[in-house]
Amino acid sequence: GAVVSQHPSWVICKSGTSVKIECRSLDFQATTMFWYRQFPKQSLMLMATSNEGSKATYEQGVEKDKFLINHASLTLSTLTVTSAHPEDSSFYICSARDPGPRRAYEQYFGPGTRLTVT
Amino acid sequence: GESVGLHLPTLSVQEGDNSIINCAYSNSASDYFIWYKQESGKGPQFIIDIRSNMDKRQGQRVTVLLNKTVKHLSLQIAATQPGDSAVYFCAENIPGNQFYFGTGTSLTVIP
Repeated sequence: GAVVSQHPSWVICKSGTSVKIECRSLDFQATTMFWYRQFPKQSLMLMATSNEGSKATYEQGVEKDKFLINHASLTLSTLTVTSAHPEDSSFYICSARDPGPRRAYEQYFGPGTRLTVT
Repeated sequence: GESVGLHLPTLSVQEGDNSIINCAYSNSASDYFIWYKQESGKGPQFIIDIRSNMDKRQGQRVTVLLNKTVKHLSLQIAATQPGDSAVYFCAENIPGNQFYFGTGTSLTVIP
């Protein structure tokens, strides 16, 4: 099946700094990628939809200036958490949609990135 | 967003028994649904999917049932094994290509 990777898998940063998380589709080209965050014992919350070559679409309540998304190629989307604060500590998960004719709906998830802001 | 979960329900079953995990979705326009399994510290893994024009779909040891009238989805796991212990989420696809996840259920299999 399709593989999606994330890097780093775990990061600790100081409050006020910025952190970049990468999401890559390894064996397919993804025109659309999604970013989710997940707090402990809670569900995944969609943050934004990332479209290659265009601006990301953010969900209501997600600050686009704080969570910068760049989808510069068909295999890479990045999420940058700017001026991180402890409340940004969370598990960030990306997914990529395989646009193949029989897989239009399928999403493949990355392993997640654990962000801890101290 | 749709179907945002706050607190995780739990389900404990004896090894070998069947498990039934339920999910209520919110948007009647949703046309595609997926069940995911998430182990601790990992991303979600696809289990089984179903389109809105179907009522039932079976996989290996798993069955998904869809009741569009009451906007309810269930996942049945036959002969539950310790390796099935995880959190299970349903996700609904809303036309416009957005997926939203349900609350999730934490399944614990007792050996």
